[in-house]
Amino acid sequence: QSALTQPPSASGSPGQSVTISCTGTSSDVGDYNYVSWYQQHPGKAPKLMIYEVSKRPSGVPDRFSGSKSGNTASLTISGLQAEDEADYYCNSYTGNNLVVFGGGTKLTVL
Amino acid sequence: EVQLVESGGGLVKPGGSLRLSCAASGFTSSSYSMDWVRQAPGKGLEWVSSISSSSSYIYYAESVKGRFTISRDNAKNSLYLQMNSLRAEDTAVYYCARKITIFGWYFDYWGQGTLVTVSS
Repeated sequence: QSALTQPPSASGSPGQSVTISCTGTSSDVGDYNYVSWYQQHPGKAPKLMIYEVSKRPSGVPDRFSGSKSGNTASLTISGLQAEDEADYYCNSYTGNNLVVFGGGTKLTVL
Repeated sequence: EVQLVESGGGLVKPGGSLRLSCAASGFTSSSYSMDWVRQAPGKGLEWVSSISSSSSYIYYAESVKGRFTISRDNAKNSLYLQMNSLRAEDTAVYYCARKITIFGWYFDYWGQGTLVTVSS
């Protein structure tokens, strides 16, 4: 099971928007609307930010949004804030009950 | 309030064994699949194992198959990971996570993690 592909780093200034991509295959991201995104601050547990491609759990700011096109899912953070600086991981259903994560993207708020 | 609390981590020599536990509270754990996910120092998330709500379905990553065993005790709201034949590359923070698999596929709650260090 290959990991999903994410850029290792991304950055943006406060108030700007940034988009993080997550590329899979036609067997995972491309075949199911079950992509989720997790935020992880240093030394902390991951936190669910987006599920089922574009849904936000209660309490997650609407600055966070998700989308998908073909085999690539994206997480967009608008109105960047300092507290958004963290690592972000994507995850997708693979159809065989095995779990695959992206390699992670370190977001820096300049 | 949903809480997941891992325990059992520590320092173990290569070839040794360790048993991790995850205590669940704030929800009926018997209704959910549960997973173990680990994170080596400075690395990304790596899925380890899954167990369905009734323990009927169990899955492992290739990297731990044959060495790790996942189990659960729904009466005690607890999840376990028995780790045998440990290797240096198993050094990581181990998280338990609740997985939504009905009308969705995602991890909605995570524990704080427990550190396993495999070193001589």
